[in-house]
Amino acid sequence: ETGVTQSPTHLIKTRGQQVTLRCSSQSGHNTVSWYQQALGQGPQFIFQYYREEENGRGNFPPRFSGLQFPNYSSELNVNALELDDSALYLCASSLVGGSTDTQYFGPGTRLTVL
Amino acid sequence: QKEVEQNSGPLSVPEGAIASLNCTYSDRGSQSFFWYRQYSGKSPELIMFIYSNGDKEDGRFTAQLNKASQYVSLLIRDSQPSDSATYLCAVKTGGSYIPTFGRGTSLIVHP
Repeated sequence: ETGVTQSPTHLIKTRGQQVTLRCSSQSGHNTVSWYQQALGQGPQFIFQYYREEENGRGNFPPRFSGLQFPNYSSELNVNALELDDSALYLCASSLVGGSTDTQYFGPGTRLTVL
Repeated sequence: QKEVEQNSGPLSVPEGAIASLNCTYSDRGSQSFFWYRQYSGKSPELIMFIYSNGDKEDGRFTAQLNKASQYVSLLIRDSQPSDSATYLCAVKTGGSYIPTFGRGTSLIVHP
Protein backbone atom coordinates (compact mmCIF):
# COMPACT_ATOMS: atom_id res chain seq x y z
CA GLU A 1 0.00 0.00 0.00
CA THR A 2 1.38 3.37 -1.04
CA GLY A 3 -1.02 5.57 0.89
CA VAL A 4 -2.23 7.15 -2.36
CA THR A 5 -5.97 6.84 -2.80
CA GLN A 6 -8.16 7.45 -5.83
CA SER A 7 -11.89 7.64 -6.34
CA PRO A 8 -13.98 6.32 -7.86
CA THR A 9 -12.59 2.89 -8.69
CA HIS A 10 -14.68 2.46 -11.80
CA LEU A 11 -16.76 4.86 -13.83
CA ILE A 12 -18.95 4.53 -16.90
CA LYS A 13 -19.85 7.64 -18.88
CA THR A 14 -21.28 8.40 -22.29
CA ARG A 15 -19.63 10.39 -25.03
CA GLY A 16 -19.88 14.14 -24.51
CA GLN A 17 -20.26 13.95 -20.74
CA GLN A 18 -17.85 15.37 -18.17
CA VAL A 19 -16.00 13.48 -15.44
CA THR A 20 -14.04 14.35 -12.30
CA LEU A 21 -11.52 11.97 -10.80
CA ARG A 22 -10.00 12.46 -7.37
CA CYS A 23 -6.67 11.63 -5.77
CA SER A 24 -5.30 11.94 -2.26
CA SER A 25 -1.54 12.00 -2.09
CA GLN A 26 0.65 10.06 0.31
CA SER A 27 1.30 11.75 3.63
CA GLY A 28 4.32 14.04 3.37
CA HIS A 29 4.15 14.32 -0.41
CA ASN A 30 3.58 17.67 -2.13
CA THR A 31 3.23 16.74 -5.80
CA VAL A 32 0.61 14.88 -7.78
CA SER A 33 1.00 13.63 -11.33
CA TRP A 34 -1.77 12.21 -13.50
CA TYR A 35 -1.33 9.57 -16.17
CA GLN A 36 -3.57 7.89 -18.71
CA GLN A 37 -2.89 4.24 -19.45
CA ALA A 38 -4.57 2.57 -22.37
CA LEU A 39 -4.63 -1.21 -22.60
CA GLY A 40 -1.21 -2.61 -23.49
CA GLN A 41 0.51 0.76 -23.22
CA GLY A 42 2.68 2.45 -20.67
CA PRO A 43 1.35 5.36 -18.60
CA GLN A 44 1.13 8.57 -20.61
CA PHE A 45 1.79 11.76 -18.67
CA ILE A 46 -1.15 14.19 -18.54
CA PHE A 47 0.05 16.86 -16.09
CA GLN A 48 1.67 17.43 -12.73
CA TYR A 49 0.70 19.73 -9.87
CA TYR A 50 3.15 21.14 -7.35
CA ARG A 51 2.09 23.60 -4.67
CA GLU A 52 -1.29 24.03 -6.37
CA GLU A 53 0.26 25.07 -9.70
CA GLU A 54 0.54 23.07 -12.90
CA ASN A 55 4.18 22.04 -13.14
CA GLY A 56 4.25 20.37 -16.53
CA ARG A 57 1.82 19.07 -19.09
CA GLY A 58 1.90 16.25 -21.58
CA ASN A 59 0.37 16.10 -25.03
CA PHE A 60 -3.27 16.24 -23.95
CA PRO A 61 -5.94 18.69 -25.14
CA PRO A 62 -7.27 21.52 -22.92
CA ARG A 63 -10.41 19.54 -22.13
CA PHE A 64 -8.17 17.70 -19.67
CA SER A 65 -7.76 20.00 -16.70
CA GLY A 66 -6.84 19.67 -13.08
CA LEU A 67 -6.56 21.18 -9.65
CA GLN A 68 -4.46 20.69 -6.57
CA PHE A 69 -5.76 21.69 -3.17
CA PRO A 70 -3.88 23.04 -0.14
CA ASN A 71 -3.82 19.55 1.39
CA TYR A 72 -2.09 18.36 -1.82
CA SER A 73 -5.03 16.27 -2.98
CA SER A 74 -5.93 16.69 -6.62
CA GLU A 75 -8.68 16.42 -9.20
CA LEU A 76 -8.57 15.54 -12.88
CA ASN A 77 -11.44 16.86 -14.96
CA VAL A 78 -12.20 15.72 -18.48
CA ASN A 79 -14.82 17.54 -20.53
CA ALA A 80 -16.58 16.42 -23.71
CA LEU A 81 -15.63 12.79 -23.22
CA GLU A 82 -14.60 10.81 -26.29
CA LEU A 83 -14.54 7.06 -26.79
CA ASP A 84 -10.73 7.12 -26.82
CA ASP A 85 -10.72 8.53 -23.30
CA SER A 86 -11.55 5.04 -22.05
CA ALA A 87 -8.50 4.04 -20.03
CA LEU A 88 -7.03 3.53 -16.59
CA TYR A 89 -6.31 6.90 -15.00
CA LEU A 90 -3.45 6.83 -12.56
CA CYS A 91 -2.47 9.34 -9.95
CA ALA A 92 1.06 9.33 -8.57
CA SER A 93 2.32 11.31 -5.62
CA SER A 94 5.87 12.34 -4.87
CA LEU A 95 7.92 14.70 -2.75
CA VAL A 96 9.61 17.35 -4.85
CA GLY A 97 12.50 18.92 -2.96
CA GLY A 98 13.20 15.85 -0.88
CA SER A 99 16.05 13.36 -1.15
CA THR A 100 14.15 11.49 -3.85
CA ASP A 101 11.12 12.41 -5.94
CA THR A 102 10.14 8.83 -6.68
CA GLN A 103 6.52 8.54 -7.73
CA TYR A 104 4.11 6.20 -5.98
CA PHE A 105 0.88 5.27 -7.67
CA GLY A 106 -2.66 5.03 -6.41
CA PRO A 107 -4.93 2.13 -7.39
CA GLY A 108 -6.28 3.95 -10.44
CA THR A 109 -9.70 4.78 -11.82
CA ARG A 110 -11.00 2.71 -14.71
CA LEU A 111 -13.02 5.00 -17.00
CA THR A 112 -15.23 3.53 -19.71
CA VAL A 113 -16.79 5.88 -22.25
CA LEU A 114 -19.72 4.47 -24.23
CA GLN B 1 11.24 13.54 -27.96
CA LYS B 2 12.39 11.44 -25.04
CA GLU B 3 11.89 7.77 -25.76
CA VAL B 4 12.01 4.73 -23.53
CA GLU B 5 11.93 1.41 -25.35
CA GLN B 6 11.01 -1.98 -24.00
CA ASN B 7 10.30 -5.23 -25.76
CA SER B 8 6.61 -5.87 -25.16
CA GLY B 9 7.17 -9.63 -24.89
CA PRO B 10 5.84 -11.80 -23.54
CA LEU B 11 9.03 -13.10 -21.99
CA SER B 12 8.42 -16.63 -20.79
CA VAL B 13 10.74 -18.26 -18.25
CA PRO B 14 10.46 -21.41 -16.15
CA GLU B 15 10.05 -21.19 -12.41
CA GLY B 16 13.41 -20.82 -10.67
CA ALA B 17 15.16 -19.29 -13.68
CA ILE B 18 16.59 -15.78 -14.02
CA ALA B 19 14.36 -13.34 -15.90
CA SER B 20 16.18 -10.51 -17.67
CA LEU B 21 14.20 -7.43 -18.66
CA ASN B 22 15.78 -4.68 -20.73
CA CYS B 23 15.08 -1.02 -21.35
CA THR B 24 16.83 1.51 -23.59
CA TYR B 25 16.43 5.27 -23.52
CA SER B 26 17.22 8.05 -25.93
CA ASP B 27 18.03 11.04 -23.70
CA ARG B 28 21.69 11.10 -22.61
CA GLY B 29 20.75 13.56 -19.88
CA SER B 30 18.74 10.89 -18.09
CA GLN B 31 19.76 10.51 -14.46
CA SER B 32 17.10 8.52 -12.61
CA PHE B 33 15.80 5.11 -13.57
CA PHE B 34 12.88 3.22 -12.10
CA TRP B 35 11.36 -0.22 -12.43
CA TYR B 36 7.69 -0.76 -11.66
CA ARG B 37 5.70 -3.99 -11.63
CA GLN B 38 2.09 -3.93 -12.80
CA TYR B 39 -0.25 -6.86 -12.37
CA SER B 40 -3.15 -7.11 -14.79
CA GLY B 41 -5.86 -4.62 -13.92
CA LYS B 42 -3.80 -3.06 -11.12
CA SER B 43 -1.65 0.04 -10.81
CA PRO B 44 2.15 0.10 -11.06
CA GLU B 45 4.11 -0.57 -7.89
CA LEU B 46 7.71 0.52 -7.45
CA ILE B 47 10.27 -2.28 -7.36
CA MET B 48 13.46 -0.25 -7.26
CA PHE B 49 15.30 2.76 -8.58
CA ILE B 50 18.90 3.27 -9.64
CA TYR B 51 20.89 6.45 -10.23
CA SER B 52 24.51 5.31 -10.68
CA ASN B 53 26.20 3.07 -13.21
CA GLY B 54 26.57 -0.52 -12.10
CA ASP B 55 24.38 -2.92 -10.20
CA LYS B 56 21.93 -2.40 -7.38
CA GLU B 57 20.51 -5.41 -5.60
CA ASP B 58 17.35 -5.74 -3.53
CA GLY B 59 16.40 -9.26 -2.59
CA ARG B 60 15.78 -11.28 -5.74
CA PHE B 61 15.90 -8.14 -7.89
CA THR B 62 18.99 -6.55 -9.44
CA ALA B 63 18.92 -3.38 -11.49
CA GLN B 64 21.82 -2.78 -13.85
CA LEU B 65 22.57 0.62 -15.36
CA ASN B 66 24.94 1.43 -18.21
CA LYS B 67 24.69 5.13 -19.08
CA ALA B 68 27.30 4.92 -21.84
CA SER B 69 25.18 2.39 -23.70
CA GLN B 70 21.91 3.99 -22.54
CA TYR B 71 20.29 0.92 -21.15
CA VAL B 72 18.96 -0.27 -17.84
CA SER B 73 17.97 -3.82 -17.05
CA LEU B 74 16.19 -5.70 -14.31
CA LEU B 75 17.17 -9.22 -13.32
CA ILE B 76 14.81 -11.37 -11.30
CA ARG B 77 16.50 -14.36 -9.73
CA ASP B 78 14.63 -17.53 -8.75
CA SER B 79 11.57 -16.39 -10.71
CA GLN B 80 8.22 -17.36 -9.25
CA PRO B 81 4.80 -17.61 -10.91
CA SER B 82 3.79 -14.65 -8.71
CA ASP B 83 6.36 -12.57 -10.62
CA SER B 84 4.19 -12.87 -13.74
CA ALA B 85 3.27 -9.28 -14.52
CA THR B 86 4.16 -6.37 -16.79
CA TYR B 87 7.38 -4.58 -15.85
CA LEU B 88 7.55 -0.88 -16.64
CA CYS B 89 10.78 1.04 -17.04
CA ALA B 90 10.68 4.78 -16.27
CA VAL B 91 13.42 7.31 -16.94
CA LYS B 92 13.84 10.84 -15.68
CA THR B 93 16.27 13.53 -16.78
CA GLY B 94 18.11 15.75 -14.36
CA GLY B 95 16.07 18.79 -13.36
CA SER B 96 12.80 17.18 -14.39
CA TYR B 97 10.27 15.80 -11.96
CA ILE B 98 8.41 13.90 -14.67
CA PRO B 99 9.50 10.41 -15.71
CA THR B 100 8.91 8.95 -19.15
CA PHE B 101 7.54 5.41 -19.14
CA GLY B 102 8.14 2.59 -21.56
CA ARG B 103 5.21 0.47 -22.66
CA GLY B 104 6.31 -2.40 -20.46
CA THR B 105 7.45 -5.99 -20.89
CA SER B 106 5.07 -8.82 -20.07
CA LEU B 107 6.75 -11.57 -18.04
CA ILE B 108 5.27 -15.05 -17.68
CA VAL B 109 6.82 -17.44 -15.20
CA HIS B 110 5.51 -20.94 -15.79
CA PRO B 111 5.70 -23.75 -13.21
